[in-house]
This record gives sequence, structure tokens and C-alpha cells, in this order.
Amino acid sequence: DVKVTQSSRYLVKRTGEKVFLECVQDMDHENMFWYRQDPGLGLRLIYFSYDVKMKEKGDIPEGYSVSREKKERFSLILESASTNQTSMYLCATLVRDRASSPLHFGNGTRLTVT
Amino acid sequence: QKEVEQDPGPLSVPEGAIVSLNCTYSNSAFQYFMWYRQYSRKGPELLMYTYSSGNKEDGRFTAQVDKSSKYISLFIRDSQPSDSATYLCAMMSLNFNKFYFGSGTKLNVKP
Repeated sequence: DVKVTQSSRYLVKRTGEKVFLECVQDMDHENMFWYRQDPGLGLRLIYFSYDVKMKEKGDIPEGYSVSREKKERFSLILESASTNQTSMYLCATLVRDRASSPLHFGNGTRLTVT
Repeated sequence: QKEVEQDPGPLSVPEGAIVSLNCTYSNSAFQYFMWYRQYSRKGPELLMYTYSSGNKEDGRFTAQVDKSSKYISLFIRDSQPSDSATYLCAMMSLNFNKFYFGSGTKLNVKP
């Protein structure tokens, strides 16, 4: 079974803080993704990565950055947290051969920015 | 127009009922179709994954894809209270490096 682990289930941060969300996968998948999920807006792609040190912007990258120094780890960084970044953040992975695999999600990090 | 449309519900049914969940989409290039189940405060869990048109069955769950109508369905037979969750549809084309998600239908199965 694919295992995608997000380091924190719940986080509370203050406005202006730098926030790190960590995601680790154990299946040697090349592709990793960060989504945020909000009521009424569904899942929105923030950033994704095809390989180590590679990253691509998704639909809503503003206010976020990412880091992928090792294949198994993909970090989402909120440079200066704001209240509109309060959300559920979901990490997902995918093997390079997309025909044989859908996305696999972690359990999410619920971030509250006060 | 959204790429994927899904009725948010909530849908409330008695235990044992047959449940039908649906999504419509606009892009005829979509080839891969997925259904995820998401319990409260958890990440989405893959339920069904199908390629192109047709049916796929797994236990009490059946996924149907009708590409001519751009319509996909998930049927749950003999629904259980443990099926109470939000169900998300998702789809993808190999030509795009992107998944498109419905907004989710919240299902409540009453004992």
C-alpha cells in the first residue's frame, strides 16, 4: 500500500509566521503534489514536482513555495502566513506512468492562521 | 463553466439503500476517472479507478463511465452507516499534467 505521511495533522500559526508543511512518501514515486481544500472550492493545486529539485506552479501558487531536496520528501512553505491561508492542506503522490496509477493522498494538515 | 460538476448534496439515505453519485464533465479528452471517499478530517482515499468507458465493480461499489454523455457514476449497494463520507470524483487526460476534481457529495447513511 502507498503511504503518504504528512508530519502534522493540526497546526495553529500566527499571521506573518513562516510555516513549513512536510510530506513524506515511501513508494519511490516521482511526482508529488500539494493541494489545498476549502468548502465550496474543492481541491486546488498549489505546486507539484516531477523530480528532485524540480517544481512547477499549480493554479494558486501565490504566497507559497516548495522544496524537494530528496525524492521522498516534498515541503510546502508559507513564507508569511496570512489568515486566508487557513485551510486543509493535502499532499499527494503519483508514479510517473500515470496510466497505471491515480493520485494517492496523505491525511492532510489542517492549518489555522490567527 | 467548471471542468467537473458534482452535486454537493447532502444526500441522506436509509441503511441498505442503493446510492447513486454522479459527476458531469466538459472536456472530452478526459480518459481516466477516479472516485475518492473522504471521511471528516481525513485525506481522500481512492475507491475506484477506471480508464475510458464502461463499468468496473469492486464489492458493493460500481463505477460507470459514459464518455458520450460526459457523465460518470458511482453506485453503492447495500449502503452502510460506515459509508457516510464525502465522495469526490476526479478525472485526467494523459495529455494534461493535471487532475480535475468535483467539489464532492456529502453522503449520510442513516441506521
